[in-house]
Amino acid sequence: AQKVTQAQTEISVVEKEDVTLDCVYETRDTTYYLFWYKQPPSGELVFLIRRNSFDEQNEISGRYSWNFQKSTSSFNFTITASQVVDSAVYFCALSEWVGAQKLVFGQGTRLTINP
Amino acid sequence: DAMVIQNPRYQVTQFGKPVTLSCSQTLNHNVMYWYQQKSSQAPKLLFHYYDKDFNNEADTPDNFQSRRPNTSFCFLDIRSPGLGDAAMYLCATSSRTGETQYFGPGTRLLVL
Repeated sequence: AQKVTQAQTEISVVEKEDVTLDCVYETRDTTYYLFWYKQPPSGELVFLIRRNSFDEQNEISGRYSWNFQKSTSSFNFTITASQVVDSAVYFCALSEWVGAQKLVFGQGTRLTINP
Repeated sequence: DAMVIQNPRYQVTQFGKPVTLSCSQTLNHNVMYWYQQKSSQAPKLLFHYYDKDFNNEADTPDNFQSRRPNTSFCFLDIRSPGLGDAAMYLCATSSRTGETQYFGPGTRLLVL
């Protein structure tokens, strides 16, 4: 069975600090997808990134970066120079490569950026 | 802009009174999903449609049903809402299964 673990339930930092959100997953599949979504207080889930299991190249998008390590089954998310607008709940998710391909979410990390 | 729209954003219903939540999309995606998200929990998939093919999750209560009359619209029907059904209901779409799912703003349901 697939499982995603986000061990950090809540993180609170001061603005401009860097922060890393951890994500560890379990799957028996050799190919799969990994995702990060952001859920601000308004409730909408905002897509941030999708990564294929065979593509371990790290990615940077502005202040956001993602570190995918298949050897440790981790897909961590770093926000550099955090801002108050980054405050949200962040979900890591996993989906199968074939079949129903439903998203399996982690429990989420509530990130609070204090001014 | 292409998007996923959910109406209403807030819905109040009475215990046992049927309620319908709606979702529409302008993305022309084949797949539409309904998720339930309770407070401080992760979203939980209820069911999804691939075109007109309905796929129910094994643990989705019979109280929850869905209709997809055309590509653009999908409805979630709760036949007899209980207090435990109070939650945020999220609709999502993808071009096909496995592709990125794009979510609507959600409907927050309150059961009195």
